[in-house]
Amino acid sequence: GAGVSQSPSNKVTEKGKDVELRCDPISGHTALYWYRQSLGQGLEFLIYFQGNSAPDKSGLPSDRFSAERTGGSVSTLTIQRTQQEDSAVYLCASSSPLPNTGELFFGEGSRLTVL
Amino acid sequence: QKEVEQNSGPLSVPEGAIASLNCTYSDRVSQSFFWYRQYSGKSPELIMSIYSNGDKEDGRFTAQLNKASQYVSLLIRDSQPSDSATYLCAVIAGRRALTFGSGTRLQVQP
Repeated sequence: GAGVSQSPSNKVTEKGKDVELRCDPISGHTALYWYRQSLGQGLEFLIYFQGNSAPDKSGLPSDRFSAERTGGSVSTLTIQRTQQEDSAVYLCASSSPLPNTGELFFGEGSRLTVL
Repeated sequence: QKEVEQNSGPLSVPEGAIASLNCTYSDRVSQSFFWYRQYSGKSPELIMSIYSNGDKEDGRFTAQLNKASQYVSLLIRDSQPSDSATYLCAVIAGRRALTFGSGTRLQVQP
């Protein structure tokens, strides 16, 4: 597709369950980012993949959060043992092969609600 | 101290006026600066980037950067109701990923 694709668009889960969120970046974009946005708040950085380099995981809030990127393309963000405070919109973005570019293209987000 | 600070607003301006949005950042090694616009319920979209001191104009938008003062601003001339949105300032420092401020909500009154 032409843009960043995220799925599911909405996910409702019960506290303690695991969830997986998927991101398919723009073709040819080597950088991929995950952010989350709670209601009325700014974007909180979670993790950043750039090409074949080790990912920057410095924003992951706890060891319940993990992400992988297979084949340099699709990424999956996994949240284990979800808590109510994990409820947010999870945004994926990708950017061009240029290093350190801040020109991110965002997907529509995955809205996670933990009951 | 937050890495990127913005007044949350709302900033209310009448239609046709100039809207001035401000942002300060804490890391002196920051080298790239961006303004994103986010409509309610939508994802952010890039509207301006600036890399060197001074002004950069694009249509009704002007980005201003002052690295000595660690200050970035966005001016929107001839504001329209369709400009009503949250404006996010974002900064890259070193090899780190893009860091966003919490955004300023702009309301343009018809």
